Amino acid sequence: EAGVAQSPRYKIIEKRQSVAFWCNPISGHATLYWYQQILGQGPKLLIQFQNNGVVDDSQLPKDRFSAERLKGVDSTLKIQPAKLEDSAVYLCASSLAGGVLEKLFFGSGTQLSVL
Amino acid sequence: GDSVTQMEGPVTLSEEAFLTINCTYTATGYPSLFWYVQYPGEGLQLLLKATKADDKGSNKGFEATYRKETTSFHLEKGSVQVSDSAVYFCALSDPTNKLIFGTGTLLAVQP
Repeated sequence: EAGVAQSPRYKIIEKRQSVAFWCNPISGHATLYWYQQILGQGPKLLIQFQNNGVVDDSQLPKDRFSAERLKGVDSTLKIQPAKLEDSAVYLCASSLAGGVLEKLFFGSGTQLSVL
Repeated sequence: GDSVTQMEGPVTLSEEAFLTINCTYTATGYPSLFWYVQYPGEGLQLLLKATKADDKGSNKGFEATYRKETTSFHLEKGSVQVSDSAVYFCALSDPTNKLIFGTGTLLAVQP
């Protein structure tokens, strides 16, 4: 089966610019996650969707980050405006159901560099 | 809050050497424990898991045992291969069923 697709693979922007990342989960997966992985740290959950509803966005910096999952399939994560500290790999993951962590599948990520 | 601490890397080994990557955790409840692996250019993949004390997770020659008394979940492999070179992440599930990851350990295996 096809895996979790993310694009772009790399993105370089200047601070205060805007950027958007796209994720297409595995077909049929109801739960979608966005993680931020800063160099030298483990991935940190930013937001979790169940279908097109938000389950948890407690760690999302809402003053500059936004995410949506229209129609409960693919998702977009946006940063506006970007700061230097947003440089990281942004990982998307999906699962059939939210409680089944061992069935979590990750995409390859988008590496963001903010200059 | 819940947290995971794992040994810093990089860990550099020769092929067929014995591998241990230490992982300890702090948790208020009884979390499930996981090891994920990230090969170069790929997404994280679940390597193994354990859901309760004294459980042993195993996969691809890797093993880890859930030790409640020492709050540890060390990853071991008896004989590493060059193809095992990757970043390894220890993780736990917190009370809200979120994954909390350690900082990752880079393993480099030389032929």
